[in-house]
Amino acid sequence: AQSVTQPDIHITVSEGASLELRCNYSYGATPYLFWYVQSPGQGLQLLLKYFSGDTLVQGIKGFEAEFKRSQSSFNLRKPSVHWSDAAEYFCAVGGGGGNKLTFGTGTQLKVEL
Amino acid sequence: GAVVSQHPSWVICKSGTSVKIECRSLDFQATTMFWYRQFPKQSLMLMATSNEGSKATYEQGVEKDKFLINHASLTLSTLTVTSAHPEDSSFYICSARLGANSNQPQHFGDGTRLSIL
Repeated sequence: AQSVTQPDIHITVSEGASLELRCNYSYGATPYLFWYVQSPGQGLQLLLKYFSGDTLVQGIKGFEAEFKRSQSSFNLRKPSVHWSDAAEYFCAVGGGGGNKLTFGTGTQLKVEL
Repeated sequence: GAVVSQHPSWVICKSGTSVKIECRSLDFQATTMFWYRQFPKQSLMLMATSNEGSKATYEQGVEKDKFLINHASLTLSTLTVTSAHPEDSSFYICSARLGANSNQPQHFGDGTRLSIL
């Protein structure tokens, strides 16, 4: 069965600082990996996705993520965080029976001004 | 592109009422739509997968008679919470995907906050 672990429940960074959100997955084949962001009371917005090819993927809002098969990781990064980046971030893995997405438990990002 | 509209955004109703939530893909045809439930400060729990023109596939533990799903067209899926009770209060989110393959990303609606009194 596929699964996703986001080890950090909460992360606080200062505006302008760099950010890395961790994501580890478990999946038997090459996974389809996604990062989504959710603002309070809203749905989820797709930041970026990985299917194959270049292991460093670029997304919207200046985010990027790197797929590392040897570590079963897909960490999200941003060089300089903006106050508007404060939100909940979800990592997800797709594939498997029914082509469903499995979400991690999310990381709440707070940005200090 | 890839806009998903969910309506209503907030519902408050009495216990025993049935509530219908609509999920529309505005600028693409969605072969598959998904319905999730999210409890406060928790992740999304998949309730069911809805394919146009066929019966929905429900996840284990989700009552199909309680949560009726209809996917009558390629742009509309509805979730009806029948005879809702306070324990059904939650945030319900739909998503839509173009195609059957999971390498196509899901695009999410803004969710519906359901409060049962």
